[in-house]
Formats: sequence, structure tokens, C-alpha cells
Amino acid sequence: DTGVSQDPRHKITKRGQNVTFRCDPISEHNRLYWYRQTLGQGPEFLTYFQNEAQLEKSRLLSDRFSAERPKGSFSTLEIQRTEQGDSAMYLCASSLELLEAFFGQGTRLTVV
Amino acid sequence: SQQGEEDPQALSIQEGENATMNCSYKTSINNLQWYRQNSGRGLVHLILIRSNEREKHSGRLRVTLDTSKKSSSLLITASRAADTASYFCATEPNFGNEKLTFGTGTRLTIIP
Repeated sequence: DTGVSQDPRHKITKRGQNVTFRCDPISEHNRLYWYRQTLGQGPEFLTYFQNEAQLEKSRLLSDRFSAERPKGSFSTLEIQRTEQGDSAMYLCASSLELLEAFFGQGTRLTVV
Repeated sequence: SQQGEEDPQALSIQEGENATMNCSYKTSINNLQWYRQNSGRGLVHLILIRSNEREKHSGRLRVTLDTSKKSSSLLITASRAADTASYFCATEPNFGNEKLTFGTGTRLTIIP
């Protein structure tokens, strides 16, 4: 297993466009997390899944954000009608319950 | 909101010296984890300490946990230039849905 994989690594989009990111976790990891990180800040929790169930969604997430994890495998994070404030690094991590989380390299989103 | 607060926010030391970073958190936890992040990259897991543990070692890293004070420290001994990075603590609460929540980070610079 090569670890957590995120795609794309970089995305530049025009304001108002929709974007979708993908995360492939380490196989057999039942937990999958999405975080957002801006320059100089720690990762901010967005949402997480246990298997296919989305257990919590941060209040930071507006209705423009949606995440799925069909069949408890890979996950997608979609941002609709992007705004300049959405520009950030989007990080995905996976773990087994109560064990350490492993992060992907992130998707850097730039909204112009 | 951030669960943890790292202290100091930034630290510069000479190569070979020891570096100590502290983390305070707010709620009861299952475990506390420390991560390293090089500029523009994903997070790398360093060490996990459970709530019933007080100290843990991994190579040049030493982590302590004081649950009565809700605080942890990360000590890096004999620092190297390659240790230059941001260091984050993350906690997994022991109530409700135990999502992993990060602190604000310490930016460590090792001066050769």
C-alpha cells in the first residue's frame, strides 16, 4: 500500500466554478478525514467518515461543500460555486479507530 | 475551532540543541498525537501517546502527557537542520464522535 493518495495535487479554478477532489485512503482504514489548511494555520476539521457513514460535519462547512464516501472506500469532496475564500490546502487522512492518522500530500486549491 | 494550542508559536535554535514544544488542550482525550509538516507538504505522524501513558520515546523524540493539566510536550534532542518544520499536536476526544482536532502549531527553525 502506498499510503493516502489525493488527486489532483493542484487545482486552479475560476470563482463560481465547481471543483471535486478525490482521496484514496489506506485500504482497511475505516476512518477518513477531510481538513482545510491555510498558510500559517493548523489543519481545520471539515468532516469525517467511519466506513461510509459521515459522522460529523464542521460548522465551517457551508452548504456549498459536500463529501461522500461510497462503499467506505475512496472519498470525494465537492465545492460548488467556489469563492476566493475557499483557496486553501485540502488535506485527507485515514486511520483505524484510536490509532494514528496518515495524511495525503493534499490538494492545493486556488480560486481566481 | 482549534482544540489545542501549541507554545511557542515559533522557535529558533542552534543545530545540536534540544527543542521543546508544548501543547495544551481542552477536553478529555483518548490519545494525543504529534505531527510534523514541512512547508507546503502533508503532515507526517511522529508519535501517539494514549491517555493512560505519561511518557513515550521514539528515536530523538520524547513526548510527555499530563492529563491533569491537559498538556503535552514534545522534546527533540540533538536537533538537526532537517528538523526545521512546523509541529502540530492533535487530540482525539473520548466522548461523542472522536474526531482528530489539531492545534495551531509551532514553527521550528534549526540554525546550522
